[in-house]
Amino acid sequence: EAQVTQNPRYLITVTGKKLTVTCSQNMNHEYMSWYRQDPGLGLRQIYYSMNVEATDKGDVPEGYKVSRKEKRNFPLILESPSPNQTSLYFCASSLGGLAGAYEQYFGPGTRLTVT
Amino acid sequence: GQNIDQPTEMTATEGAIVQINCTYQTSGFNGLFWYQQHAGEAPTFLSYNVLDGLEEKGRFSSFLSRSKGYSYLLLKELQMKDSASYLCAVIRYGNNRLAFGKGNQVVVIP
Repeated sequence: EAQVTQNPRYLITVTGKKLTVTCSQNMNHEYMSWYRQDPGLGLRQIYYSMNVEATDKGDVPEGYKVSRKEKRNFPLILESPSPNQTSLYFCASSLGGLAGAYEQYFGPGTRLTVT
Repeated sequence: GQNIDQPTEMTATEGAIVQINCTYQTSGFNGLFWYQQHAGEAPTFLSYNVLDGLEEKGRFSSFLSRSKGYSYLLLKELQMKDSASYLCAVIRYGNNRLAFGKGNQVVVIP
């Protein structure tokens, strides 16, 4: 089944404790992206990747890191989480290409609480 | 930058028709997507418009006017399961990035 998976689905952690949220897709998609969703603010892009070893900042990258060493995986790293990073996080993937406009497939979401 | 505007909430009766509007301002426009999102779940794709006009897909239709920077999603024969947030998102040439509006919450009542 074609899908985007994220782990963990739920996480409660404390300020400053490094964490990684994994994202994996099995559709051989070039493009992957991370979003956060907060009430009243909608979906905002954190980082995106056009292909392996090609990552770039989205609209709200502060406090986050990503890496794209393999095509299928795109982990999101919070080196020192803070309470304002409490949010619902979505990973997404799509076919890539500079001229293309492709449907993005979303993972099930990771609900993160930082106390 | 991009500016995408959607009304926040509407209530409609089962069986009715509802229209959800989205206005946008952007350069390098390469299309507009509509997604449906049930509470706490992932957004799922509904439609994509890049040319002016109406695209019909079952009970859902989406319209685009590029000159006006305007799109709407039309939901016909509303069902209780259509209660969800509807997100419009604009994509620009060059990097496949989606810029989302804040979403419109539709509540369907019996």
